[in-house]
Amino acid sequence: GAGVSQSPRYKVAKRGQDVALRCDPISGHVSLFWYQQALGQGPEFLTYFQNEAQLDKSGLPSDRFFAERPEGSVSTLKIQRTQQEDSAVYLCASSPRLAASYEQYFGPGTRLTVT
Amino acid sequence: AQSVSQHNHHVILSEAASLELGCNYSYGGTVNLFWYVQYPGQHLQLLLKYFSGDPLVKGIKGFEAEFIKSKFSFNLRKPSVQWSDTAEYFCAVHNAGNMLTFGGGTRLMVKP
Repeated sequence: GAGVSQSPRYKVAKRGQDVALRCDPISGHVSLFWYQQALGQGPEFLTYFQNEAQLDKSGLPSDRFFAERPEGSVSTLKIQRTQQEDSAVYLCASSPRLAASYEQYFGPGTRLTVT
Repeated sequence: AQSVSQHNHHVILSEAASLELGCNYSYGGTVNLFWYVQYPGQHLQLLLKYFSGDPLVKGIKGFEAEFIKSKFSFNLRKPSVQWSDTAEYFCAVHNAGNMLTFGGGTRLMVKP
């Protein structure tokens, strides 16, 4: 079956622009996670959805970051007024379980470069 | 705050050499432990996991890891690496809440 897909795979934005990153999880997966991976580092948690409910957004670095999953499947991570420090790979992961303690299936990521 | 440390950032080995990648975490309670691997050009995928029971866990492709609670460690091992094991390896820990905490990763290069 299809895995987690993300689009676009690459995004170049000028500083100050808004961007929207899309994640299509594996069909039927109730849990969806967003991570930010800076160059040379491991992924860092941003936010967690259980179906359409955003249960945890403690990792979002600022109020410029916003995520939604309105119908409990596709999710969008939006970054407003992008800054250079937002340059990173944004990873989406999904899981069939209701907790982060189980295996997560990762997408290929969106590499965001802010110039 | 919980943290995960991977001490080796870059490792270069020749084929057939043995591998051990270190992973230490800071949280003292009940933990679930994972090793993920990212092959060149591919996405992160699970290599192995520990939830409970036998602290020696076997994963795919001949990898194994040992959970040593007293040392807060979950080191990854493989007796004989292959060129195809060239990848970046990430240790991750879950103890509570909704997140996995990842280490900084170890880039492994296996020379043929």
